[in-house]
Amino acid sequence: DGGITQSPKYLFRKEGQNVTLSCEQNLNHDAMYWYRQDPGQGLRLIYYSQIVNDFQKGDIAEGYSVSREKKESFPLTVTSAQKNPTAFYLCASSMGWGGYEQYFGPGTRLTVT
Amino acid sequence: EDKVVQSPLSLVVHEGDTVTLNCSYEVTNFRSLLWYKQEKKAPTFLFMLTSSGIEKKSGRLSSILDKKELFSILNITATQTGDSAVYLCALNAGNMLTFGGGTRLMVKP
Repeated sequence: DGGITQSPKYLFRKEGQNVTLSCEQNLNHDAMYWYRQDPGQGLRLIYYSQIVNDFQKGDIAEGYSVSREKKESFPLTVTSAQKNPTAFYLCASSMGWGGYEQYFGPGTRLTVT
Repeated sequence: EDKVVQSPLSLVVHEGDTVTLNCSYEVTNFRSLLWYKQEKKAPTFLFMLTSSGIEKKSGRLSSILDKKELFSILNITATQTGDSAVYLCALNAGNMLTFGGGTRLMVKP
């Protein structure tokens, strides 16, 4: 059963705490991405990784960090420095970099109070 | 800066109607334009368009790209309640996808 999994589905945290969102894919894709979606808006790119051990900032990287130690895993940490962390977070992967369609995981809804 | 604008923002139709969703863009280095359907959670891939004037079709859905006028349309004929979703257009300019704000379609029985 190939695909992208994200966990947990829902996450609640207190302000000031760091939280890590999981993203795993078994599609053997090289590239992985993290997006944020706010109500009624499109997706905005947080970080992306073209290949293992490499990652780049997207449009809204401030307050977030990532790692890519394994091809199949691309966890996102939402730090206390992120001013408005409550959002829907989507992870995606693609076969290669540039020109390939991206496949999305089911998302994690993070609520910080 | 690459830009993607979708219209309308939202649309309510009745089953059986035909709808046309619009996506216009500005880009410096076009590679492809993609359409996704987002129901509750993960966007699912619909089409990728790279060439002007060639229609891509899948069942009741079809899409076409105009690289001269910088827009794409997504058509849905004989709409069903299961077509209710947010439709996202995304531009691939070589480095990453830039998404539009989406069109929310509601199909009433």
